[in-house]
Amino acid sequence: DAGVIQSPRHEVTEMGQEVTLRCKPISGHNSLFWYRQTMMRGLELLIYFNNNVPIDDSGMPEDRFSAKMPNASFSTLKIQPSEPRDSAVYFCASTRDSITYEQYFGPGTRLTVT
Amino acid sequence: SQELEQSPQSLIVQEGKNLTINCTSSKTLYGLYWYKQKYGEGLIFLMMLQKGGEEKSHEKITAKLDEKKQQSSLHITASQPSHAGIYLCGAATIAFQGAQKLVFGQGTRLTINP
Repeated sequence: DAGVIQSPRHEVTEMGQEVTLRCKPISGHNSLFWYRQTMMRGLELLIYFNNNVPIDDSGMPEDRFSAKMPNASFSTLKIQPSEPRDSAVYFCASTRDSITYEQYFGPGTRLTVT
Repeated sequence: SQELEQSPQSLIVQEGKNLTINCTSSKTLYGLYWYKQKYGEGLIFLMMLQKGGEEKSHEKITAKLDEKKQQSSLHITASQPSHAGIYLCGAATIAFQGAQKLVFGQGTRLTINP
């Protein structure tokens, strides 16, 4: 199994530009999570999906952030417009519906907004 | 909301020495996950604990969940350079159809000196 795949691995963009991060979960996993990691705030859950439906987006910082999961094998996290404070590492994780099943994390996308 | 506090925040030990990392929750833990992260990479699952008093081991790493299920410890015996990295504990908050939403501690940065 290829594991959770994220792209791009690194993204540098200018303030005001639109940024789209992509995630392909592990086949057979029906829950997907987007996290953001910064030195100041640590690892924070932004949003999670179950069976492609957004369940909890309370962690999404503001309306500039949006996430979609059009099918079981693909999800996007979009920031429009981007700001320097959005600079962070964004992780995607997936898991099966099991109380004993761990979340598998992707390698992350390091976003830098200048 | 549930909060996790890890201690220490950073730890430097001599190769071969034992060490312990603690994770304390503000609320009862229904599931406690330990992950390891290397710089620039995603999180690697180590262990999950659910029952009070539970203890699990993998190679030279042992994790315990106390009887009251509000604290967990991670113990490494005879540390090696490969153990270096950031250790994060994650607590399950809401179980939606089995998939657990996780809240993470700030992490403990472990350095192993030769």
